Amino acid sequence: NAGVMQNPRHLVRRRGQEARLRCSPMKGHSHVYWYRQLPEEGLKFMVYLQKENIIDESGMPKERFSAEFPKEGPSILRIQQVVRGDSAAYFCASSPTQMNTEAFFGQGTRLTVV
Amino acid sequence: GENVEQHPSTLSVQEGDSAVIKCTYSDSASNYFPWYKQELGKGPQLIIDIRSNVGEKKDQRIAVTLNKTAKHFSLHITETQPEDSAVYFCAAGSDNYGQNFVFGPGTRLSVLP
Repeated sequence: NAGVMQNPRHLVRRRGQEARLRCSPMKGHSHVYWYRQLPEEGLKFMVYLQKENIIDESGMPKERFSAEFPKEGPSILRIQQVVRGDSAAYFCASSPTQMNTEAFFGQGTRLTVV
Repeated sequence: GENVEQHPSTLSVQEGDSAVIKCTYSDSASNYFPWYKQELGKGPQLIIDIRSNVGEKKDQRIAVTLNKTAKHFSLHITETQPEDSAVYFCAAGSDNYGQNFVFGPGTRLSVLP
């Protein structure tokens, strides 16, 4: 049973471009969470999704950021018109249910905006 | 909203000694306190957690204590080994709604052989 798969592992984008980060949850997991980690800082919750639904997006910036988890395929975190401040590690985690269960993290995507 | 502080930011111990990391939280509504270990280049991994109805929990060499009145909780690692070297994060939140936790800034633990 493969773990949470994130790709790409590293992504370089020029200012103004779009970044698409993918997350395939563990088999049997229907809950996905995205976090951002700035250098030397803890993780910041961004968004919680179930299949085809956004459950909690309280941590998402109001503009340029969006997330989806379609019925088929991976969850996508999309950042439009990237700026240097978007440079960070983005982690995805998945769990089988939302309550009282451990979420398993992927290895992250390190986004660098140049 | 919730605010989590964590100390120290870096900690070096000799192999075999104990390590203690302390966190404080601000929101009395928080009832779930997980601890994560993050090795270089990897995602965080849950190592132990505690709920507010429990004061202490132990799992082999690691233990966590919680003082609800003072709003602080601590991670204790005994008989440290080089493979314990990593960044450790505490977090606070609710255990009945997803994984929307507030994380501390992390402690970089180095276990010296």
